[in-house]
Formats: sequence, structure tokens, C-alpha cells
Amino acid sequence: AQSVTQLGSHVSVSEGALVLLRCNYSSSVPPYLFWYVQYPNQGLQLLLKYTSAATLVKGINGFEAEFKKSETSFHLTKPSAHMSDAAEYFCAVSRGGSNYKLTFGKGTLLTVNP
Amino acid sequence: NAGVTQTPKFRVLKTGQSMTLLCAQDMNHEYMYWYRQDPGMGLRLIHYSVGEGTTAKGEVPDGYNVSRLKKQNFLLGLESAAPSQTSVYFCASSYEDRVSGYTFGSGTRLTVV
Repeated sequence: AQSVTQLGSHVSVSEGALVLLRCNYSSSVPPYLFWYVQYPNQGLQLLLKYTSAATLVKGINGFEAEFKKSETSFHLTKPSAHMSDAAEYFCAVSRGGSNYKLTFGKGTLLTVNP
Repeated sequence: NAGVTQTPKFRVLKTGQSMTLLCAQDMNHEYMYWYRQDPGMGLRLIHYSVGEGTTAKGEVPDGYNVSRLKKQNFLLGLESAAPSQTSVYFCASSYEDRVSGYTFGSGTRLTVV
């Protein structure tokens, strides 16, 4: 069975500081991994995804994530936080076989302080 | 470039009333999904469809029904609304592969009083 654990339901950083949002997964097959962002009162939009090509994945708005098989992790980072990054972030894993449903983590709310 | 459109965006229902939420996508996606989002609970899958005329139960299907009569539309029905169904509902769609990910609608905020 697939599952996703996001460590920290709420992360607070200062503007200009490093953003690190943690995601660990469990999967019985090689996983495909995704990060989504949800701005207030909006739907989720895709930030980036890992699909077994490069282990370091770059996404929109300066975010990137590194797939580490040995640590079963797919942490999201951004070198310098901006006020506009304040949002909720969701990590998700895709099953293998004929079942393509995504399993989502419970989300991490990112607050950026001026 | 509409993507996934949900109607309505807001609704207030009285306990026991019924309603239908509509999701429409224009990307020719095969798969469609209904989720509910509640504080601290993340996204929970209600029902999904892997093609026109098909539906399947997700994690929290009780109290909801769905239909997919046309490929581009996925309807979520509440036959007798309960306060526990107060939530934000999201529709999503995807290709039938592992790599594309989902495209989400902007959500429907439902309050049952």
C-alpha cells in the first residue's frame, strides 16, 4: 500500500529564508511523486513531479525537490521564501499497475513572515 | 483553456435537502475524481471514474452518489444532506497514466445547516 507522510502541519519562515517542506512516502513499487500547492480559496495546482527521470526536479516559482530512494523522501525546497509563497502544500504518490490514483499527504501550511 | 470547471462555487443547504455538484473538463481526460477537504484531514477521495459510464467508491463514499454519463462531466449528488457533509469539494481529472498528475477545479464550498 502507498502512503505519504508530511512532517509538520505548519511551517513558518521569514521572507528570504530557506523553505524546507518534508515528505516521506512508502510504496511497494517505484513511486511517482508530486507536489501540489493550494493558495487560499483556490484549487490545487501542480508544482513539480518526479517520474523516474532526474532525481532533482525543478518546478514552478523557484521550487525544487529531490527524490532520495534510500531515505524514501521527496522534500520540497526553495532557497529564498517570498511572501507570495504562503499557501498549503501537498505531497502525493501514485500507485503502480493499473491503478493511477494519487494518495495525498495531509498538507503543510507555509506561513511567510515579513 | 478552461481546464476543470466546478459549479456552483458556494452553496448553503438545509439538513435533508438534496443537491448535485457538477464538474466539467475540456481536456479529454479519461479519469475523474471527487474529493472533500476538511481542516486537518487533507484530501479524501469520495468517488472516482475511470471512463464514461463507470464509477467506483473511494475512501468516504457514504452519503454521496455519482454519475458519469458523458466523458467530460462527473456529477456528485447528495441525496439527503447532513451537517457532517459541510466541506469544500474538489473535482479533478487526469489522463490514464501515472505521470501526468491531476488537474483540479477551484472547489465548491458547501455548508449544511
